[in-house]
Amino acid sequence: NAGVTQTPKFQVLKTGQSMTLQCAQDMNHEYMSWYRQDPGMGLRLIHYSVGAGITDQGEVPNGYNVSRSTTEDFPLRLLSAAPSQTSVYFCASSASLNEQFFGPGTRLTVL
Amino acid sequence: SQQGEEDPQALSIQEGENATMNCSYKTSINNLQWYRQNSGRGLVHLILIRSNEREKHSGRLRVTLDTSKKSSSLLITASRAADTASYFCATDASYNTDKLIFGTGTRLQVFP
Repeated sequence: NAGVTQTPKFQVLKTGQSMTLQCAQDMNHEYMSWYRQDPGMGLRLIHYSVGAGITDQGEVPNGYNVSRSTTEDFPLRLLSAAPSQTSVYFCASSASLNEQFFGPGTRLTVL
Repeated sequence: SQQGEEDPQALSIQEGENATMNCSYKTSINNLQWYRQNSGRGLVHLILIRSNEREKHSGRLRVTLDTSKKSSSLLITASRAADTASYFCATDASYNTDKLIFGTGTRLQVFP
């Protein structure tokens, strides 16, 4: 099993550009989540999904969109990148919320 | 705002010593979990304690939970240099069990 994979590992964007961070899992997990991690802030929940076709907002959803058309994939879209979105992004999946499996992260810099 | 706050923010100890980290949270919970993050990597699940449990052990880890004080502690006994990492608590609020909210973390440095 590959577990949770994220692409790309690194990305540099200019302000106003859009992009999609990819997340995929091969464990048939229903729960998937996106977090951002900033220095001194810990992890903050952006969006989450409890199954295909179901998504909901977390603590900091503004500026991000998600969709969940399959169980395996949960892409995160930045609509119009801003410097405040410079962060490390983690995707996680789990069968329930009792043990989340994390991907390796995507380091995003917005200039 | 974040559910959990860890204390201390940073902790430095020598190998062989015990390390204790604390987590406080704001709302009633079903479960509390602890995760570990090595520098530059994703988080790894360590242990889960349910709201009706007071103490749980896993190897060199001991977790306690005091729901009346809305707090938990993680004790790592006989620490090793390889324990150097950041440690996070995470809770699912009992009113919304679909979201897992993380605290701000404790950075542990274990010197050989």
